[in-house]
Amino acid sequence: QVTLKESGPALVKPTQTLTLTCTFSGFSLTTSRMHVSWIRQPPGKALEWLARIDWDDDKFYSTSLQTRLTISKDTSKNQVVLTMTDMDPLDTATYYCARTVAYTSGGYYVYYFDYWGQGTLVTVSS
Amino acid sequence: DIQMTQSPSSLSASVGDRVTITCRASQSITRYLNWYQKKPGKAPELLIYAASNLQSGVPSRFSGSGSGTDFTLTISSLQSEDFAAYYCQQSYSIPFTFGPGTTVDIK
Repeated sequence: QVTLKESGPALVKPTQTLTLTCTFSGFSLTTSRMHVSWIRQPPGKALEWLARIDWDDDKFYSTSLQTRLTISKDTSKNQVVLTMTDMDPLDTATYYCARTVAYTSGGYYVYYFDYWGQGTLVTVSS
Repeated sequence: DIQMTQSPSSLSASVGDRVTITCRASQSITRYLNWYQKKPGKAPELLIYAASNLQSGVPSRFSGSGSGTDFTLTISSLQSEDFAAYYCQQSYSIPFTFGPGTTVDIK
């Protein structure tokens, strides 16, 4: 079955760089049209999509955060890594990774997040 | 970026009620619209993809409709396990964006 799990520090200081790892099983990022996304949710706020990496190593980022984010993959380890630089208390959130797939019909592709990790809470505080 | 709005932001309902949540996009997204359920302390769960397709394993009391800019999630008969937050999400263009959410709580 498909599983994903996020790992990384629970606490980071302002200005530090956050590195999160998503370790998954049940699918491969070498498979055509397979993708993994990162999404976060600050306490009491809405979900926010951060980044996506594709099977062919294409990468996509949030407009507002793209200068601070880097997403990469290690297919041999079934891992996706997200780094976020210059962390701020406003970045305090639960961070999720999610398998991203596309429904295809009539020539269009609707991407959606069908499996999610349990999430990891990252607190930014000095 | 495409902006998503939802209404209402919260609602109170009873078990057995029919519940409707609306999602609106700032531009046409045809049918590139998904719905998720989020409970406190748990990961979001996909309910509906491509506006009206029920995800495998999701109860049939959930349904989605709409196209263009206006979409609806309907719960035909609310169950106790449905009290949660609901989010719409567009995948018409990068960056993907979510609505602000609708919280469904017990009346």
